[in-house]
Amino acid sequence: GAGVSQSPSNKVTEKGKDVELRCDPISGHTALYWYRQSLGQGLEFLIYFQGNSAPDKSGLPSDRFSAERTGGSVSTLTIQRTQQEDSAVYLCASSRRSGTDYGYTFGSGTRLTVV
Amino acid sequence: AQSVSQHNHHVILSEAASLELGCNYSYGGTVNLFWYVQYPGQHLQLLLKYFSGDPLVKGIKGFEAEFIKSKFSFNLRKPSVQWSDTAEYFCAVKTGSQGNLIFGKGTKLSVKP
Repeated sequence: GAGVSQSPSNKVTEKGKDVELRCDPISGHTALYWYRQSLGQGLEFLIYFQGNSAPDKSGLPSDRFSAERTGGSVSTLTIQRTQQEDSAVYLCASSRRSGTDYGYTFGSGTRLTVV
Repeated sequence: AQSVSQHNHHVILSEAASLELGCNYSYGGTVNLFWYVQYPGQHLQLLLKYFSGDPLVKGIKGFEAEFIKSKFSFNLRKPSVQWSDTAEYFCAVKTGSQGNLIFGKGTKLSVKP
């Protein structure tokens, strides 16, 4: 596609429920990244995928968070048993390859509100 | 662990004023440096980047940044800001040992017309 597409754009969920956030990267981009943006906290790295390599999960805040990337394209970030502190904007970005000088192309994000 | 510091949380300027936003990083090796901008209601977009060569990098919309290796800094500058520059600005660094960018906490710029 022309850009990085994320869905849903907004999600309100009850505490304790599971949520799935979707990211559709730019076609041909082999690297895909998930970040979390909270007010005053900047962008917190969560996980990244590079081609067929094992993902770098070093940023995931707890075992309630997981992500997968199917067929080297679409990625899903899953948060189980959501907590109020999970409320944030979840951003996805893609690039041609990890560390390329093209930089990231970001999606518009999913605003998650846990009530 | 590598980190990125942006010194100013919120900067308020009048139109035509000069801008300098500070960015420092903590890593002693080779780095790639970026500035991203997020206009109100829009997604993050790349403003400029440094990989190698001339340490003075020019980006879009009249922005520039200077990489000073000895100071571990990559400050963003613009000689004369416009109201349309109102946005949040994020500095980011990539080191050789990591595949992802590390972002600072951002600086919100408000330009008064």
